[in-house]
Amino acid sequence: DGGITQSPKYLFRKEGQNVTLSCEQNLNHDAMYWYRQDPGQGLRLIYYSQIVNDFQKGDIAEGYSVSREKKESFPLTVTSAQKNPTAFYLCASSIEFSTEAFFGQGTRLTVV
Amino acid sequence: DQQVKQNSPSLSVQEGRISILNCDYTNSMFDYFLWYKKYPAEGPTFLISISSIKDKNEDGRFTVFLNKSAKHLSLHIVPSQPGDSAVYFCAASPSGSARQLTFGSGTQLTVLP
Repeated sequence: DGGITQSPKYLFRKEGQNVTLSCEQNLNHDAMYWYRQDPGQGLRLIYYSQIVNDFQKGDIAEGYSVSREKKESFPLTVTSAQKNPTAFYLCASSIEFSTEAFFGQGTRLTVV
Repeated sequence: DQQVKQNSPSLSVQEGRISILNCDYTNSMFDYFLWYKKYPAEGPTFLISISSIKDKNEDGRFTVFLNKSAKHLSLHIVPSQPGDSAVYFCAASPSGSARQLTFGSGTQLTVLP
């Protein structure tokens, strides 16, 4: 089955620690994205990547980092510099020049 | 400043009746609009879209209407079913590219049996 897999589903982090969220897709999509969802708000773009070894900041990139070493994988690191990291994180992918994005099931990150 | 607004956080409808979800936008450069549906603990899934050259697009029980002069779009679900209960996100893009999608805050639809 083709799709996007995010892991873990739930993640707890102590303040001051970095944490990495995994995102893997087998849809052969070139473009991948990370979004953040907070209560009462729409999805906000953190980072996106159009091609391997290239990525661009989205609207709220501060405190986050990404890598795109393989087409299938786009991990997101939430660093200690992110002031309010508790949120629901969604990874997505799309073919180039398409508006239709395919989403993973999300990772709920809680800072304790 | 929210460029895509869904002013109703929730909507309840009786099974078999029509559900109407609304979305307003402010950016006149948006030319492609989508609706996504999201169940709890799952990612959003694409439902239906419309480009700015059209004012209506229909897919089974789902119809999206676009009023460009009012910068307003709506999603109609007829007839509504309990399985339609989910959060519905409106999204818009100026370029036909997913990297420029702007999402609304979502509307929780509950269809009562």
